[in-house]
Order: sequence, then C-alpha cells, then structure tokens
Amino acid sequence: EAGVAQSPRYKIIEKRQSVAFWCNPISGHATLYWYQQILGQGPKLLIQFQNNGVVDDSQLPKDRFSAERLKGVDSTLKIQPAKLEDSAVYLCASSSKMSGVSYNEQFFGPGTRLTVL
Amino acid sequence: TQLLEQSPQFLSIQEGENLTVYCNSSSVFSSLQWYRQEPGEGPVLLVTVVTGGEVKKLKRLTFQFGDARKDSSLHITAAQPGDTGLYLCAVYRGSTLGRLYFGRGTQLTVWP
Repeated sequence: EAGVAQSPRYKIIEKRQSVAFWCNPISGHATLYWYQQILGQGPKLLIQFQNNGVVDDSQLPKDRFSAERLKGVDSTLKIQPAKLEDSAVYLCASSSKMSGVSYNEQFFGPGTRLTVL
Repeated sequence: TQLLEQSPQFLSIQEGENLTVYCNSSSVFSSLQWYRQEPGEGPVLLVTVVTGGEVKKLKRLTFQFGDARKDSSLHITAAQPGDTGLYLCAVYRGSTLGRLYFGRGTQLTVWP
C-alpha cells in the first residue's frame, strides 16, 4: 500500500513570496490533515478535511494560508504572502474512520521543509 | 502552557543502555498515543494506550499509561542506534475525535 505522498520535499523562498504544497493521501482515506512543525516543537494541526469538507481550520492563519481538497482526494496548502516565521516542515496526514473508539491512526507523509529568507 | 509536557527534551546515550522518557499533563485523557519521527520523515504511530495503568510492549519498548490517565512513560531496553529519533506523545481533544495535540517531543540519539 502506497503511503502519503507530498511534494515538493524542500522549498526556499523569500518573504512576501507565495508557495504551494501538494498532498496525495492513502487511497480510500476520507480524512486529511495539514500540520505545521516548527523546529524543536511537535506538529500543530492547521486544517482537517473530511472528504472535501473542512472539519477544523481554527488554527489556520486565514489571512495568509489557504487549503483546498477538491474531489475529496488530493489537497493543496498555499501560503501567500510568506513570512519569516512560516519557516517549518509542513506535514500532511490521512486516516480512515475507526468506529467505536475515541482515537484513530494517522499516517503521515515525509513533509515539505519550507525556508523563508 | 503546553497541554503535554515531555521530558527530557534531549537524551544522548550509548548503545545497550536503558532509558525512560515521560509525557505529563494535568488533564485526564481517554487515550494517549506515542509516535516516533526519524529525520526527514513524518511521525509513525508506535502505540495507543487507553486504560489507566495499561502496559504495552513493542519488542524492546515498554509503554505505560498512568493510573489516573494523565501521564505516560516509554521505556527502551538495550537501546540501539536504530532507536534514534524524536519521540512524540499525542492526545485527541474535543468532540468526537477532535484534534490531535502533540507534545514537543524527546530527541533521542543512540551512539554505537
């Protein structure tokens, strides 16, 4: 079974430029997540999709970040314009629904390391 | 303040040594997960603990959930260089599954 795919793996941009990240989840996984992981910290959820609908985007800086999941499969995360503090690893994860329990297993992609100069 | 406090932040040991890392909180959780993240990769789920006092073993790794379900520990016996990585604890909070909150992690380095 193929894992979660992300591209690009690395990106270097200057502040005020825009950037986009792409994620292809595990086939059949209805839930897709985008996380931001700043160096020295654990991942922080930015947005969660269930199929092509947004479930939780409360931590997404909506003045500069946007995300979409057209057709309920692939997803893109965009930053426009980027700031120095956006330098981080952006992780995509997916999961399938587990009934009867209060947890599930999220499968993470390798991430995109963004450096903003 | 962090929901989950992990300690130590860094741990550097020789191959063959034993170690324990901790995940603590003042909140009660219905379950707690441990992930390992290797350089350049995303986190991978190691275990989910759900019952207070529960102990789960995964080869040389032993996970324990506190009796009050507020804390957890991960013990590694006879560490190997392949155990090197960032160990993260995480919990779900909110309605239904809610969102997954991670601690800052313990960066473990095992030297040959």
